[in-house]
Amino acid sequence: AQKITQTQPGMFVQEKEAVTLDCTYDTSDPSYGLFWYKQPSSGEMIFLIYQGSYDQQNATEGRYSLNFQKARKSANLVISASQLGDSAMYFCAMREGGSPGGGNKLTFGTGTQLKVEL
Amino acid sequence: DGGITQSPKYLFRKEGQNVTLSCEQNLNHDAMYWYRQDPGQGLRLIYYSQIVNDFQKGDIAEGYSVSREKKESFPLTVTSAQKNPTAFYLCASLGGRLHGYTFGSGTRLTVV
Repeated sequence: AQKITQTQPGMFVQEKEAVTLDCTYDTSDPSYGLFWYKQPSSGEMIFLIYQGSYDQQNATEGRYSLNFQKARKSANLVISASQLGDSAMYFCAMREGGSPGGGNKLTFGTGTQLKVEL
Repeated sequence: DGGITQSPKYLFRKEGQNVTLSCEQNLNHDAMYWYRQDPGQGLRLIYYSQIVNDFQKGDIAEGYSVSREKKESFPLTVTSAQKNPTAFYLCASLGGRLHGYTFGSGTRLTVV
């Protein structure tokens, strides 16, 4: 079973509009972390936002917010006021556990290609 | 500035050759990771290391080997046993904070 599912291979949004990128996850570990990364065509991975499983409030970082619905196991990324520079591939990722012996490995979804249009 | 350096940026390999991808970090991070990325897919874990002289296989370790002789360095060798090595390879490290992953800029490997 997929641990991270991103069901939107591609998305279009108009400049200055908000867009939501979907992510659902599957884990039985009560302690986990959820991440969103942006990957432009250059290939680098840019960290956007993090949500811990025990965090009470949804994470926000500037124009990025994470809509964390724990019971539904979803962690959608919301980008407000889209800009042309937001055009990139976006990955959702999960780290299970958190103990040193667990390796702290990240598991990634297949990504969503976002295109911002004028 | 602290970070991860991957080299080379582009690498071409002939059939049957072993090649080594370099990953160096000056962040004093204990844990390091190698991921492979194919078009239309997410990143898949090849190998990881939590301390010097120790490493574990990830999900797709076949055809790859690593070493961790120094904290700063985690080179990945793509052996001739890897049947489809053409891909984008990313190295990452993790420091004290459990969400503090740092990624290198990647190496694009092509078999010619």
